[in-house]
Amino acid sequence: EVQLVQSGAEVKKPGESLKISCKVSGYSFTSYWIGWVRQMPGKGLEWMGIIYPGDSDPRYSPSFHGQITFSADKSVSTAYLQWSSLKASDSAMYYCARQYCGGGSCHFDYWGQGTLVTVSS
Amino acid sequence: DIQLTQSPSSLSASVGDRVTITCRASQTISPYLNWYQQQPGKVPKVVIYAASSLASGVPSRFSGRGSGTDFTLTISSLQPEDFGTYFCEHSYSTPYAFGQGTKLEIK
Repeated sequence: EVQLVQSGAEVKKPGESLKISCKVSGYSFTSYWIGWVRQMPGKGLEWMGIIYPGDSDPRYSPSFHGQITFSADKSVSTAYLQWSSLKASDSAMYYCARQYCGGGSCHFDYWGQGTLVTVSS
Repeated sequence: DIQLTQSPSSLSASVGDRVTITCRASQTISPYLNWYQQQPGKVPKVVIYAASSLASGVPSRFSGRGSGTDFTLTISSLQPEDFGTYFCEHSYSTPYAFGQGTKLEIK
């Protein structure tokens, strides 16, 4: 059974750093892209980017490039999303999702449960 | 970068109604268009991928069609569990993107 299990909710202060995780099981971690999606309170889904755990190749949305970093650790089948200096506007739910690609088309077929990040002084 | 515009932004309908949601891309993306459903407080789930392919476990009352820049998601007979917000997403080239969402509410 494919599962993506994300780390728990975080409460941080502006300027702090943070790394959240997405541990996968039930499939080959290095064979599928992992995506990250932001959902601010009461708002829509925002595509942040994807990472290929096989070689840690990241693709960032321009909206997030330079603000976040993706990484992956093959030894523990876990993808990470990190910030070096959080802002209040980073407060949101963050989802990881497995990207399935077939016939040239890709979509997110399995999702983590989400990690709620709250940034407040 | 490719932008997606959904219409309407919100929609009120009754159980049994046929509803259609539209997604328009800023350039041709065919057939790399997906549809996701998100019920309140829940994780999104894919309902249609590659414009017209029904995702596993999704009822056949859901259908997708379209080509080029214009795509639709149709629910042939609304059921209570279909209410929520629907998002389109393109996977034509990175950066991929979601539409702003269509909130489907009970009339």
